[in-house]
Amino acid sequence: GESVGLHLPTLSVQEGDNSIINCAYSNSASDYFIWYKQESGKGPQFIIDIRSNMDKRQGQRVTVLLNKTVKHLSLQIAATQPGDSAVYFCAEGLQGGKLIFGQGTELSVKP
Amino acid sequence: KAGVTQTPRYLIKTRGQQVTLSCSPISGHRSVSWYQQTPGQGLQFLFEYFSETQRNKGNFPGRFSGRQFSNSRSEMNVSTLELGDSALYLCASSWGTATNEKLFFGSGTQLSVL
Repeated sequence: GESVGLHLPTLSVQEGDNSIINCAYSNSASDYFIWYKQESGKGPQFIIDIRSNMDKRQGQRVTVLLNKTVKHLSLQIAATQPGDSAVYFCAEGLQGGKLIFGQGTELSVKP
Repeated sequence: KAGVTQTPRYLIKTRGQQVTLSCSPISGHRSVSWYQQTPGQGLQFLFEYFSETQRNKGNFPGRFSGRQFSNSRSEMNVSTLELGDSALYLCASSWGTATNEKLFFGSGTQLSVL
């Protein structure tokens, strides 16, 4: 069935370290993937997206990697800062336009 | 440019009542999607409207309905509220011109059903 899952529900990192958040998806027909960050009391905020014709995309301090062979997505955050503490969601875009979200990973950054 | 605006921010209702939530999309965006967020189920898609027409629908009972107005503003309604409807209801807007495109979310309406 349709599902997007996350390997770890929580991730704790030291300030300045790199963070890697992983995501598995099940629908091989998905051609669009997106990462969101959600802080307490706020709605999800767009971080970065990638289409299935790419395997890597970089933004400011963030990189998304897509491995279609094993249906795996990851978000890398460089030099993690306290302001990066939040819940991170991956989502896949299915035909028809709706996004299917994973359960989320809570990232905690220790000073 | 103003973001997605949702009102009210908080709502408390009792079982059996109905509720209407409002969403104003980013100016120029014609697609509005609604999601329900709970700790146990995460973010679940309710429906999407584009140019006043429901274009996609999730797996929610008929008690959940919505509509979109000519100015792209959207409302969703939940009738005969149940305790399990307690959740954060998120509205998101986008241009709506591509099959898949990034959504811009509002801060949500926190609904508590007592």
